Amino acid sequence: KQEVTQIPAALSVPEGENLVLNCSFTDSAIYNLQWFRQDPGKGLTSLLLIQSSQREQTSGRLNASLDKSSGRSTLYIAASQPGDSATYLCAVRQPGNQFYFGTGTSLTVIP
Amino acid sequence: IAGITQAPTSQILAAGRRMTLRCTQDMRHNAMYWYRQDLGLGLRLIHYSNTAGTTGKGEVPDGYSVSRANTDDFPLTLASAVPSQTSVYFCASSQSGTSLSGELFFGEGSRLTVL
Repeated sequence: KQEVTQIPAALSVPEGENLVLNCSFTDSAIYNLQWFRQDPGKGLTSLLLIQSSQREQTSGRLNASLDKSSGRSTLYIAASQPGDSATYLCAVRQPGNQFYFGTGTSLTVIP
Repeated sequence: IAGITQAPTSQILAAGRRMTLRCTQDMRHNAMYWYRQDLGLGLRLIHYSNTAGTTGKGEVPDGYSVSRANTDDFPLTLASAVPSQTSVYFCASSQSGTSLSGELFFGEGSRLTVL
């Protein structure tokens, strides 16, 4: 069974720093990998979707990379802001329309 | 822009009562999902439907049932609620069926407390 791990579970950085969040998965037979943001008491908002044939995707200050063979993805956030504070989750999609989620990294950006 | 609408947003329920959480999507996605999110356990799949008229069991289906009479609606029913079903419930949908598709979208969640 696919296992998705996100380390660290929590991260605190000063405003303006660049940071990297990590996601690893055990089964490389994935269709895609998706990064989400979740604010307290809210649903999950899709940030970036990387198809299995792609290496990276960018949206504004966010850049996500995918190395399927090594079972790793990173989410790079440039010039972090207090508004980036949230929990970030990654999920992989496998055959059969099954999604597997990490437990998330809770990010705090300190003004 | 609606996307996925869940109702109710929040509900307190007595144990033993029947409860239906509603989920409607306007994106014409073929696949829909119900997850529960609990502190320390992350998101766990309850039931899913790959297309209207079909449903399947996820990781934690016991005590829950679903139906998929049409493309847009995917209600989740707790036949006789128990306190362990206290959780935040998320409905999600995706357009799936090919190898290069399937961005997953979520509703805002339904917070359920069973006393």
